[in-house]
Amino acid sequence: EAGVAQSPRYKIIEKRQSVAFWCNPISGHATLYWYQQILGQGPKLLIQFQNNGVVDDSQLPKDRFSAERLKGVDSTLKIQPAKLEDSAVYLCASSVRPPWGTQYFGPGTRLLVL
Amino acid sequence: QQQVKQSPQSLIVQKGGISIINCAYENTAFDYFPWYQQFPGKGPALLIAIRPDVSEKKEGRFTISFNKSAKQFSLHIMDSQPGDSATYFCAAVTGNQFYFGTGTSLTVIP
Repeated sequence: EAGVAQSPRYKIIEKRQSVAFWCNPISGHATLYWYQQILGQGPKLLIQFQNNGVVDDSQLPKDRFSAERLKGVDSTLKIQPAKLEDSAVYLCASSVRPPWGTQYFGPGTRLLVL
Repeated sequence: QQQVKQSPQSLIVQKGGISIINCAYENTAFDYFPWYQQFPGKGPALLIAIRPDVSEKKEGRFTISFNKSAKQFSLHIMDSQPGDSATYFCAAVTGNQFYFGTGTSLTVIP
């Protein structure tokens, strides 16, 4: 069974630029999560999708972050414009069902904002 | 505000020893407590999880101890091996909300 795929793996941008991350969850997983993991901290949930609908985006900085999950499969997370404090690893995870379904994490995208 | 407090931040254990990582929470609405293991360059992977209706759960060398009244839970790794060297995160879940601890970097010395 293929795992959660993410791309790119690494991205370096300058502040005020835009960046987008892509996630392909495990086939058949209805729930998709985006997390932000700052160095030395645990993952922080940014947004959760159930199929193509948003379940929770209470911790998503909506002035600069946006996410979509078209057709309930792939998802993209965008930052526009980026700030220095956005430097982090962005993790995508998927599960069969919330909240206790096991979350399977992708390898993450490491973002560095200069 | 950190919903889940995890300690220690780092831990060094001899091969064969017991590794113990502790977590504490305040919100009594949490009803699911998973532990994740993360290797460098990889995403976290579920290790073991417990519901608050039991006080202990064991899977192989990994045991979760849960103290509902104290609002604390801990991960015990018995017979620690160098391959266990990783970062461990506890988490607490209520509804759709997942809250992770700050992580413990475990190093097992051969």
